[in-house]
Amino acid sequence: KQEVTQIPAALSVPEGENLVLNCSFTDSAIYNLQWFRQDPGKGLTSLLLIQSSQREQTSGRLNASLDKSSGRSTLYIAASQPGDSATYLCAVSPGSARQLTFGSGTQLTVLP
Amino acid sequence: SAVISQKPSRDICQRGTSLTIQCQVDSQVTMMFWYRQQPGQSLTLIATANQGSEATYESGFVIDKFPISRPNLTFSTLTVSNMSPEDSSIYLCSVSGAKNIQYFGAGTRLSVL
Repeated sequence: KQEVTQIPAALSVPEGENLVLNCSFTDSAIYNLQWFRQDPGKGLTSLLLIQSSQREQTSGRLNASLDKSSGRSTLYIAASQPGDSATYLCAVSPGSARQLTFGSGTQLTVLP
Repeated sequence: SAVISQKPSRDICQRGTSLTIQCQVDSQVTMMFWYRQQPGQSLTLIATANQGSEATYESGFVIDKFPISRPNLTFSTLTVSNMSPEDSSIYLCSVSGAKNIQYFGAGTRLSVL
């Protein structure tokens, strides 16, 4: 059974810092990995999706990497801003249009 | 992208009652997914709903407790039956869109007294 772990569970940084969030998964037979953002009391917003054949994806200040063989992904946030404060979730899928297995999330606070 | 409307956004219910949550998508999709997020926890898949067939439930979730309807390719409902305080959670529906990106509704925040 796939298990997804995220470290750290919580992170607090001053504005402007670069930071890395970590995600690991136990079964490397994934189809893709997706990073989401969840604001308090809200649904999930997709940030980046990495196909199993890809090594990284970038969107603005965000860069996600994937090392499928070692079962790891990282989300790099450059020049953090208070608006980046949210819970970040990674999730993996075993196939096309299939359900996701989620990690427990990293709660990020960016201090002004 | 897919736009998902979920109703109600929140509700407070009495023990023993049932609540039906609606999920409407702006495009036709084969599969819709229902997740539960308990307080302070991550998301757990309840079931996968295919149009025209019975929903597939994950371990620990049963149809009598969480009946699901999928009458067409843009709509689904999840009912939380005979509720107890342990059912207090956020319930979310999702679909897989272009490039296999998963899109989520805003969720239904349920509190059971």
